Amino acid sequence: DGGITQSPKYLFRKEGQNVTLSCEQNLNHDAMYWYRQDPGQGLRLIYYSQIVNDFQKGDIAEGYSVSREKKESFPLTVTSAQKNPTAFYLCATSRTASYEQYFGPGTRLTVT
Amino acid sequence: AQSVAQPEDQVNVAEGNPLTVKCTYSVSGNPYLFWYVQYPNRGLQFLLKYITGDNLVKGSYGFEAEFNKSQTSFHLKKPSALVSDSALYFCAVRDKGDDKIIFGKGTRLHILP
Repeated sequence: DGGITQSPKYLFRKEGQNVTLSCEQNLNHDAMYWYRQDPGQGLRLIYYSQIVNDFQKGDIAEGYSVSREKKESFPLTVTSAQKNPTAFYLCATSRTASYEQYFGPGTRLTVT
Repeated sequence: AQSVAQPEDQVNVAEGNPLTVKCTYSVSGNPYLFWYVQYPNRGLQFLLKYITGDNLVKGSYGFEAEFNKSQTSFHLKKPSALVSDSALYFCAVRDKGDDKIIFGKGTRLHILP
C-alpha cells in the first residue's frame, strides 16, 4: 500500500448524492486505475489514465466520472446515476501500462 | 478478448503442506501474467509476474508460479504453507499491447493449523 493513499477508508452517503473518492500517489507512476470490488466478482475496471489530462473508460464506467489534472491525483466521483454504488473501491498505479500495478488500501462506500 | 479463470473458489491446505492455486488464461498474443494477494479490507499486494524468460517465476513470501504455454496456465505454488498465507489470491493477465489487466475472480486460501 505504500505510496498510494485513498481517503477516507469508510464512506457513508445517502442515495441520490454524488460522492468523490480520493486517490493520491507519490510513486511518480504515469498510469492510474480505478477498480470496483464486489464479493465473488473479482475486480472490475471503472476508468484508467495513462497520462495527465487523458483517461479512458473501463468495463463499468456508467455512473462514474474521473479527472486527471495532476500526475499524483486521480479522483473518482460516484454519481447518483450509479445504480448500485455500495462496494469496495480500489485505486492502483503502474509505472506505465506495461508494468505491474500497485494498489492503495481501498475505500469502502456504503450508500443507503 | 483476453480472459483469466481461477477454477477454485476456495482451497484448503494443512499448515506445512505444499499449496497450489490454479489459474488459466486466454490471450491472442503473448501474455503478461501476475499474481496478487489480498488480506481482509486491504488493497491487493503484488506477489510475482511472468513477462518472458524462465517459466518458473519466484516472488514474495516464498511463492512461485509456473508458466505453462501449452496448457495456458500460471499456477501459484508454495512448498510449505503457513497459517499467515490465508488470504484471497488473484491471478491477472495482460495481452501484450493492451492497456488493461484482467483479473480473475479470486481464490480464497485457507491454511489449517
